[in-house]
Amino acid sequence: ETGVTQTPRHLVMGMTNKKSLKCEQHLGHNAMYWYKQSAKKPLELMFVYSLEERVENNSVPSRFSPECPNSSHLFLHLHTLQPEDSALYLCASSQVRAGGSEQFFGPGTRLTVL
Amino acid sequence: KQEVTQIPAALSVPEGENLVLNCSFTDSAIYNLQWFRQDPGKGLTSLLLIQSSQREQTSGRLNASLDKSSGRSTLYIAASQPGDSATYLCAASLIKAAGNKLTFGGGTRVLVKP
Repeated sequence: ETGVTQTPRHLVMGMTNKKSLKCEQHLGHNAMYWYKQSAKKPLELMFVYSLEERVENNSVPSRFSPECPNSSHLFLHLHTLQPEDSALYLCASSQVRAGGSEQFFGPGTRLTVL
Repeated sequence: KQEVTQIPAALSVPEGENLVLNCSFTDSAIYNLQWFRQDPGKGLTSLLLIQSSQREQTSGRLNASLDKSSGRSTLYIAASQPGDSATYLCAASLIKAAGNKLTFGGGTRVLVKP
């Protein structure tokens, strides 16, 4: 396993539920990312947090709400989801610098929306 | 907008054969290009990172090349083994993108037959 952990690993929820995904990085990085991976589609970037500030929101619906309380933790709050939101949600971290950097990924949360 | 393409989408080879995986990108203004491996239902494992100033990077049986002028990177896996069966993803980090974000290709699914 990498230095990026995600909980829960699997989640099943109804369309009216509220749940949260958690990501923690133990690598001392200053940036964290949420990605969505649906079947037969490339990984889609959802949010980027750099130095705890959101620097990118890739046109994600408001039913997904990210939170980055500190440089080691990232949450994705979910409410009123749709069945098409079922996917693998991946968290990543990196050390942002002028020359670019390597991203490290967590194992993902497999989300099923009924 | 950066677009990253991987062809073929799937590849099947007998054990022992060398693997050649292709990645192309439309915007050459990149910091780096990263190759990942993904096993079914799992997160991404970083294999190699090539900085924009490098032509190639090697790790064990893996060798990745980068040609920015033609917008291409190639991952070579020598003497393939059944354990190399996985999906391989390439991703480019654009210089002008906030937070060193990555743009991913669709992946190449590899099956190495014993």
